[in-house]
Amino acid sequence: GAGVSQSPSNKVTEKGKDVELRCDPISGHTALYWYRQSLGQGLEFLIYFQGNSAPDKSGLPSDRFSAERTGGSVSTLTIQRTQQEDSAVYLCASSLSPERSYEQYFGPGTRLTVT
Amino acid sequence: AQSVAQPEDQVNVAEGNPLTVKCTYSVSGNPYLFWYVQYPNRGLQFLLKYITGDNLVKGSYGFEAEFNKSQTSFHLKKPSALVSDSALYFCAVRDSGSARQLTFGSGTQLTVLP
Repeated sequence: GAGVSQSPSNKVTEKGKDVELRCDPISGHTALYWYRQSLGQGLEFLIYFQGNSAPDKSGLPSDRFSAERTGGSVSTLTIQRTQQEDSAVYLCASSLSPERSYEQYFGPGTRLTVT
Repeated sequence: AQSVAQPEDQVNVAEGNPLTVKCTYSVSGNPYLFWYVQYPNRGLQFLLKYITGDNLVKGSYGFEAEFNKSQTSFHLKKPSALVSDSALYFCAVRDSGSARQLTFGSGTQLTVLP
């Protein structure tokens, strides 16, 4: 079946603008994760959705970052008033359930460049 | 808290030679350990995982990794490297307790020289 998809694949925006990044998880996967990969850095956890429970937002770097997951499927990561340090590849992953979080399937990522 | 260290930013190896990419971890409970590979302009691909059982785990593309509890290590190995193995490799850990997100190392760029 289809894997995790993300859109857009690339996004260039001006400093101060808001951006929305979209993630379509694998059908039937109840857990969804957002990570950020900065140049020369590892992957940084941002936020985790687990079914209908409240999300784990412990990794969000500032209040400019927010995410939602509608209907337990598609997720949108929103960055308000973007800054140059927000430039990174944003990766989404999904797993069959929170208990199966050790099997995370990653999307191709969205490369965000803030100019 | 959980953390992962990949002490080498870059590993170079000649084609046909064995390769090792190092990883050490820290968790408060029992670890779940993973290796992922990232090819240029591609997403992360799962290679292998250790959850429980045998310390030697075999994964995709001929890779294997050995879980060493006393040394808190989970080094990735392959007996004979291929040029096509050249990629960025990430080690990741998750505490077997309540944490759900993976904590990743900073990555090791593997270059296999023909």
